[in-house]
Amino acid sequence: DVKVTQSSRYLVKRTGEKVFLECVQDMDHENMFWYRQDPGLGLRLIYFSYDVKMKEKGDIPEGYSVSREKKERFSLILESASTNQTSMYLCASSLGNGGLAGTQYFGPGTRLTVL
Amino acid sequence: GNSVTQMEGPVTLSEEAFLTINCTYTATGYPSLFWYVQYPGEGLQLLLKATKADDKGSNKGFEATYRKETTSFHLEKGSVQVSDSAVYFCALTLNAGGTSYGKLTFGQGTILTVHP
Repeated sequence: DVKVTQSSRYLVKRTGEKVFLECVQDMDHENMFWYRQDPGLGLRLIYFSYDVKMKEKGDIPEGYSVSREKKERFSLILESASTNQTSMYLCASSLGNGGLAGTQYFGPGTRLTVL
Repeated sequence: GNSVTQMEGPVTLSEEAFLTINCTYTATGYPSLFWYVQYPGEGLQLLLKATKADDKGSNKGFEATYRKETTSFHLEKGSVQVSDSAVYFCALTLNAGGTSYGKLTFGQGTILTVHP
């Protein structure tokens, strides 16, 4: 079974702190994704990566950056956390390109609260 | 651009009732269509998918048919169970081109609650 793990299930940070969310997948997938999930808005793509050291902005990249130094690990960084970044963050991975790559495997999520 | 619209929720049903969750889409190319499910406290998991027009995806008693003429992919189940209580997301990705990378566009999600 594909496994996607996220470093924390719950995280509480203060405004202005730098926050790191880590995601690891164990199936050698090329693609990795970071989403945030908010009620009534569904999932919105923050960033994705299709290869090591490669990254592309998603729909809502402002206030976030990412790092992919190894194929299995994709990190989301909040440079200076703000209260409007309080949300559920979901990591996912998938294999290849095109329609088949739409089968994504998700981690359990990190619920981040910024005070 | 691409977009997915789901019926507003929440949806509350009694056990063994028939379920329909509507999903319509707008896409610039030829999409693959997906239903993902999120059980309480968990991440999303793929429920079913269809990659071309008239395909029917099915899994765990759920079905959805890719209707190109109505740009729809409605989710149905003949008899729901309490264990089906979850959030359901409709999504699409574009098939063609070298830069899709399987990026998904999600609907807003529909909360389903099934009572005994």
